Amino acid sequence: GENVEQHPSTLSVQEGDSAVIKCTYSDSASNYFPWYKQELGKRPQLIIDIRSNVGEKKDQRIAVTLNKTAKHFSLHITETQPEDSAVYFCAATNFNKFYFGSGTKLNVKP
Amino acid sequence: NAGVTQTPKFRVLKTGQSMTLLCAQDMNHEYMYWYRQDPGMGLRLIHYSVGEGTTAKGEVPDGYNVSRLKKQNFLLGLESAAPSQTSVYFCASSYSPLTSKSYNEQFFGPGTRLTVL
Repeated sequence: GENVEQHPSTLSVQEGDSAVIKCTYSDSASNYFPWYKQELGKRPQLIIDIRSNVGEKKDQRIAVTLNKTAKHFSLHITETQPEDSAVYFCAATNFNKFYFGSGTKLNVKP
Repeated sequence: NAGVTQTPKFRVLKTGQSMTLLCAQDMNHEYMYWYRQDPGMGLRLIHYSVGEGTTAKGEVPDGYNVSRLKKQNFLLGLESAAPSQTSVYFCASSYSPLTSKSYNEQFFGPGTRLTVL
């Protein structure tokens, strides 16, 4: 089955700085890569996703890049704000089974 | 439109007891999933369903059973609870890929925190 690895496990940045979280996957058949944000005690919520036929996608301060050859994808958050503090999960799927990374705890210091 | 709901929100069991977690969605989604979330391990898929009357095993199915008798409901059962099943359980649902442009997006329920003593 698919194996998704996520790094780093914790990330601390100053407000206004950029944050980058990286994930790798093993199954070349995976074709959809969502990113979820989970605040403490809450459910995961989709923040951005990318499909295998696209190399980059941007939505305001967040962007995702995908390198199919190297089997890795990354989440980029620019101009970080304290409300960006949460746990972020990447995932990969090739149809209906989702495999999640172990999560990155992002702390944005004011 | 309530989205995805889960019952109960919290539960404490003794080892060997049984219970059923209920997930309900009102978005007419075809696919439904059960995950468990443990500290430092992300979300792991227990079982999933691609339609009414169908179920399939995920990454960590041992000790759990599921049923999807109605399209809107997905039940997760623990026949004989063990302390290793202490976790937060999330249900999720998504559209069929044939009917929606956002076909892969998963919508999560609020979670059930289960403690097995």
